Parts: sequence; structure tokens; C-alpha cells
Amino acid sequence: DTGVSQDPRHKITKRGQNVTFRCDPISEHNRLYWYRQTLGQGPEFLTYFQNEAQLEKSRLLSDRFSAERPKGSFSTLEIQRTEQGDSAMYLCASSSYRSYNEQFFGPGTRLTVL
Amino acid sequence: QKEVEQDPGPLSVPEGAIVSLNCTYSNSAFQYFMWYRQYSRKGPELLMYTYSSGNKEDGRFTAQVDKSSKYISLFIRDSQPSDSATYLCAMSASGFQKLVFGTGTRLLVSP
Repeated sequence: DTGVSQDPRHKITKRGQNVTFRCDPISEHNRLYWYRQTLGQGPEFLTYFQNEAQLEKSRLLSDRFSAERPKGSFSTLEIQRTEQGDSAMYLCASSSYRSYNEQFFGPGTRLTVL
Repeated sequence: QKEVEQDPGPLSVPEGAIVSLNCTYSNSAFQYFMWYRQYSRKGPELLMYTYSSGNKEDGRFTAQVDKSSKYISLFIRDSQPSDSATYLCAMSASGFQKLVFGTGTRLLVSP
């Protein structure tokens, strides 16, 4: 399967802990996006990368959130000092230079903060 | 007011029915329109992608965009129980990379 993969699929943590999620995009897709989805809502944009450069960050991305894509391939999203309000599905998507707006999503990482 | 409005449903139909799903939007800069299908606790799956106004057909699915009315639709013909899922509309403006999603419409197709 050459789709977008995310790891872990589920993460349960206690409030105040740090968590890190990984996303592997479709091979040769140079753009990678992070979204967050809460129950009953559509995904909301967090940030995106073109190759290794982080080009846009949403105001939703507080100082406790940081994302990296060091070699222009996989990406990590870290949340420091987690809060209960961070509980959500974190989705990664990727797209190709051929059609940037066609974004293909991974299965998501479901985060539960206790 | 949200940029993209979508009725959350649920929309319940019998197997074989034609389903109509709709979204309205307020940002006239939107030019790219997508429909995603999302099964429970899974990631969204891209179903249809259209640029600007017009129709696009793919198998049992037809997407329509009316930019003058700021209204987009997805039609599903011969609906199947396996079509039961949440359908998300999404759109973006030229030069902007983020997709703006509706809340999703939950569809239930009964056998």
C-alpha cells in the first residue's frame, strides 16, 4: 500500500505529558499537511510543508504544537504539555505538484488526553 | 457564520435511492471543490475533485458546482449500504493551500 500512513493510530496520555505523532506521505508527494478533527466537525487545517519548509501555520497551532519535516519526507507533530482540549483525531494529508489541491489523507491518529 | 455550511443529517434512504448531498459557501474566492467520504474512525477518502463550475461524473457519483449560487452538490445513484458514511465537502481558493471543510453529512443507506 502506497497511501499516507500515520503512527500511532491511537494514543492515550495524561494531561501535561508530551506526545509525538508521525506521518509518512505518499511517495514523491512534496506537500504534506496536518489537520485536526473533533467529533461531529470537519477537519481543520493546522499547518503544511512543501518539501522541508513549513510554509503556513494556522492560529489553531498554539505554542505547544510543533511540526517538522526534516528531510522533506516524513513529518512529526509534537504536542507539549497536553490538555484535555487537545483530544481529537490528528490527520495528515499529502499532495503532488501535479495537483496540489487534491489532498490524500491518512487514517489519522486519535489522541485522548485524560 | 462558517465559510462552508453543510447539513449534518443524518440522511436516511433505502437501498437503490438517489442521494443528494449539498454544501453552501460564502467565500467567492473558492475555486477548487472536493468531496470526501469518511467511515467511522477512519481518515477521509477523496471521492471527487472539481475545478470551478460545472459537472463531473465518476461511476455512480456526480459532482456539481454552481459558483453563481455558491452551492455544490454530490449525487449518488443506486445507493448501497456500503455508501453509509459521513460525506465531507471541502474547498480551497487559488494560491491557498488549506482545505476548508464542511461539518459533514452522515448518510445511512438501509438494505
